[in-house]
Amino acid sequence: SAVISQKPSRDICQRGTSLTIQCQVDSQVTMMFWYRQQPGQSLTLIATANQGSEATYESGFVIDKFPISRPNLTFSTLTVSNMSPEDSSIYLCSVVPSDRASNIQYFGAGTRLSVL
Amino acid sequence: EDQVTQSPEALRLQEGESSSLNCSYTVSGLRGLFWYRQDPGKGPEFLFTLYSAGEEKEKERLKATLTKKESFLHITAPKPEDSATYLCAEEYNFNKFYFGSGTKLNVKP
Repeated sequence: SAVISQKPSRDICQRGTSLTIQCQVDSQVTMMFWYRQQPGQSLTLIATANQGSEATYESGFVIDKFPISRPNLTFSTLTVSNMSPEDSSIYLCSVVPSDRASNIQYFGAGTRLSVL
Repeated sequence: EDQVTQSPEALRLQEGESSSLNCSYTVSGLRGLFWYRQDPGKGPEFLFTLYSAGEEKEKERLKATLTKKESFLHITAPKPEDSATYLCAEEYNFNKFYFGSGTKLNVKP
């Protein structure tokens, strides 16, 4: 398994500002992902964070709104830009450990974001 | 559109009262069906992966089964500590998942 630390655990932000969420893993991983979990809804994949190259975004998510960095194999950030109340959600990072043959994902505890 | 539907949305059980959670999926060529447990304020925690119809996996009071269209999570003699939201997810492409919205289980002592 992998131990994942996500910061901050929660934040309350003003409309129009940006928040950067950090995800730190205790071991090198090939695959890192960012999800959004809106209240009462399922997890939705935002993007795959690729080390050394641009993130791969899913339909409905764009780089200008959710810029992602992945400077090495243990760390990634997700920025939620120009926030509006509709961005209020839980944001989760997940990883697939490199030493596993299966594609089990391990999740951080999430960042609970409220936008006023 | 491929999707995952979980039922019921919420389930309240008495301690020791066995029941089942349902996960219906629609993708053809299923790569894997995953079950996760999510406690309040935490990220999902992996429970099981099932790959083919007829497959079963067990862990303590939980047993997951898979048919061609559905998966069931059977909970035998649940305890209050089994209270959580249970998520299922189908892998439709390499490391790409459709998640259901979950079943929130509450086990009363």
